[in-house]
Amino acid sequence: QKEVEQDPGPLSVPEGAIVSLNCTYSNSAFQYFMWYRQYSRKGPELLMYTYSSGNKEDGRFTAQVDKSSKYISLFIRDSQPSDSATYLCAMRPSGGGADGLTFGKGTHLIIQP
Amino acid sequence: AAGVIQSPRHLIKEKRETATLKCYPIPRHDTVYWYQQGPGQDPQFLISFYEKMQSDKGSIPDRFSAQQFSDYHSELNMSSLELGDSALYFCASSLVGLNNEQFFGPGTRLTVL
Repeated sequence: QKEVEQDPGPLSVPEGAIVSLNCTYSNSAFQYFMWYRQYSRKGPELLMYTYSSGNKEDGRFTAQVDKSSKYISLFIRDSQPSDSATYLCAMRPSGGGADGLTFGKGTHLIIQP
Repeated sequence: AAGVIQSPRHLIKEKRETATLKCYPIPRHDTVYWYQQGPGQDPQFLISFYEKMQSDKGSIPDRFSAQQFSDYHSELNMSSLELGDSALYFCASSLVGLNNEQFFGPGTRLTVL
């Protein structure tokens, strides 16, 4: 079993809908949680970065972390066709060191115009 | 804003050959990370360097080595290439500190024939 589980999709929703993307993890040492967006054959782009449990909002994006359930979410409001991409959750045990990230497999999101 | 630079962007090699990938971090970033992403897979962490010293090690094969130089750029050396080494190789950089967000480069696509 992978340390980080993420439904690969594809997830197809109409333009303007609210999108919910999720990951679960098994390693309770993970403290820092990230969401990356990756377009085909491009490098992952950092969208959200959160520490421990709670919510963080940035524009149309909201990240939620529930450490008690080992569950993280990314919500996208007013989804646009340009949001169509693969969304990868990532996490690490510590924040200040040079630890590598552990990624989920990514969810392929399709926003239908 | 300046981003992570990787070269070459594409590389084709034969089995058993060697390859060298280069990464130039965002200016003032002191840490680099290498990741391997196979087709349809999530990025797998290989190795990281902080202030020119190896910091964290992931699933890097013994045939691979890497180093960080005095100007903070890094090189990933891959020897005795195998067909299974065909993948996208990403470099990420960060400034070690409280948040230590990792920013990814565009990747090098390695094809081993």
